[in-house]
Amino acid sequence: EDQVTQSPEALRLQEGESSSLNCSYTVSGLRGLFWYRQDPGKGPEFLFTLYSAGEEKEKERLKATLTKKESFLHITAPKPEDSATYLCAVQEAGNNRKLIWGLGTSLAVNP
Amino acid sequence: NAGVMQNPRHLVRRRGQEARLRCSPMKGHSHVYWYRQLPEEGLKFMVYLQKENIIDESGMPKERFSAEFPKEGPSILRIQQVVRGDSAAYFCASSPPGALYGYTFGSGTRLTVV
Repeated sequence: EDQVTQSPEALRLQEGESSSLNCSYTVSGLRGLFWYRQDPGKGPEFLFTLYSAGEEKEKERLKATLTKKESFLHITAPKPEDSATYLCAVQEAGNNRKLIWGLGTSLAVNP
Repeated sequence: NAGVMQNPRHLVRRRGQEARLRCSPMKGHSHVYWYRQLPEEGLKFMVYLQKENIIDESGMPKERFSAEFPKEGPSILRIQQVVRGDSAAYFCASSPPGALYGYTFGSGTRLTVV
C-alpha cells in the first residue's frame, strides 16, 4: 500500500536554529513529490515539486531534496513567520493525478 | 488574478440535511480536485474532475456524495443526508491541463454537522 510518513510530528526551534523535516514514501513508481505549507484555517500553499532522485529546489530559507526513498525539507535560519504545518505528498507514476499525503510536521519558531 | 475560490467558508448543517460546497478554479485551470481533511487523518483525495467529466472518483464514498464540474459555473461537491462523521474541512484545488504541476488550493469549506 502506498504510504507517506513525515517526521517529526512536531518541532520547536529558536529563531535562527536550522533543522530538517523528513518525508519517507512508499509507492510503486514516483511521478512527483510535493511540499506544501499550511497555516491554521487555510488551504495548503504550494512550495516545491521534485521529480527525480538527486533533485534539489530552493526558495528563500527552504531547500527540498529527494532520494529514492525520502525527501528532506531543510530550513536554514528560520524566522517566526516560518511557523506552520509542512505537508508532503506524492503522486504515483501513470495517469493517476491524486496525491497521497503525509500527516505533516507542525513547526513552531520562537523569537 | 484570483486564486481558487471556495464558498461558503463555514457551513453548519443539521443531520439529514444537504450540504453544497462550491469551488471556482483559478483562471486557465481546467482540472479540479476535492480533498477532505480530518484532524489526525490528514488530507484524503476524493474526486478529480475536468469540465463536464469525472475522471477519478475513487476516493468518494459510494453513497450520499456526488461531484460535478459543469461547462459553465463552479464545481460543486454535494453531500446528501449529512451525518456527524461528515464534519471536516473540504478543500478544492485546481491545476492547468497537461504536464505535472503543483496544485493551487482554496481556503476550504469547514462543514459542521450538528
